[in-house]
Amino acid sequence: GESVGLHLPTLSVQEGDNSIINCAYSNSASDYFIWYKQESGKGPQFIIDIRSNMDKRQGQRVTVLLNKTVKHLSLQIAATQPGDSAVYFCAENKANRDDKIIFGKGTRLHILP
Amino acid sequence: GAVVSQHPSWVICKSGTSVKIECRSLDFQATTMFWYRQFPKQSLMLMATSNEGSKATYEQGVEKDKFLINHASLTLSTLTVTSAHPEDSSFYICSARDSGPATQHFGDGTRLSIL
Repeated sequence: GESVGLHLPTLSVQEGDNSIINCAYSNSASDYFIWYKQESGKGPQFIIDIRSNMDKRQGQRVTVLLNKTVKHLSLQIAATQPGDSAVYFCAENKANRDDKIIFGKGTRLHILP
Repeated sequence: GAVVSQHPSWVICKSGTSVKIECRSLDFQATTMFWYRQFPKQSLMLMATSNEGSKATYEQGVEKDKFLINHASLTLSTLTVTSAHPEDSSFYICSARDSGPATQHFGDGTRLSIL
């Protein structure tokens, strides 16, 4: 069935190192992907997005990579900081779903001192 | 930037009562708002799409008579959990669409606890 999932539920990274969070999706009809950050007790915060006609997009300290061949999405965070501790969700949108955003399972990122 | 406000942020009530949660877009008009539910350590699950001036569209498995949605203006959608029970305890999050999926803004959620 359709799904947006993540490989790892938790990820521990040394402060200052780069973090890579992965996501797999199964529906090739998805044409838009988003990464969100959710801190405890708060709503999701937009980080970066990418359309299916692209394979890479960079933001401030973050990069999203899209591999349509293997239906894989990743979020790279450079020089991870304590404030990056949160749960990260990948999400998808399909053009025929009336802008509905469907969330994946989430990965908790722990920053080690 | 765009802000979506939810009220209340936290509510505790007795089993059997009804609870109303408000979602407001503070600096833009939102013809479409979305309601999500999130259980502890789980992802956000889309419950329904709220359309201004028309009936909400519910996702499969969501009871429309239990989760009443009203979107009477371009800046306000409400979710009423009727006859709430302990299993309805969850984190309810709304989002409002500004001008496309790339501009969906999320509220900070409402923690609902049913005793």
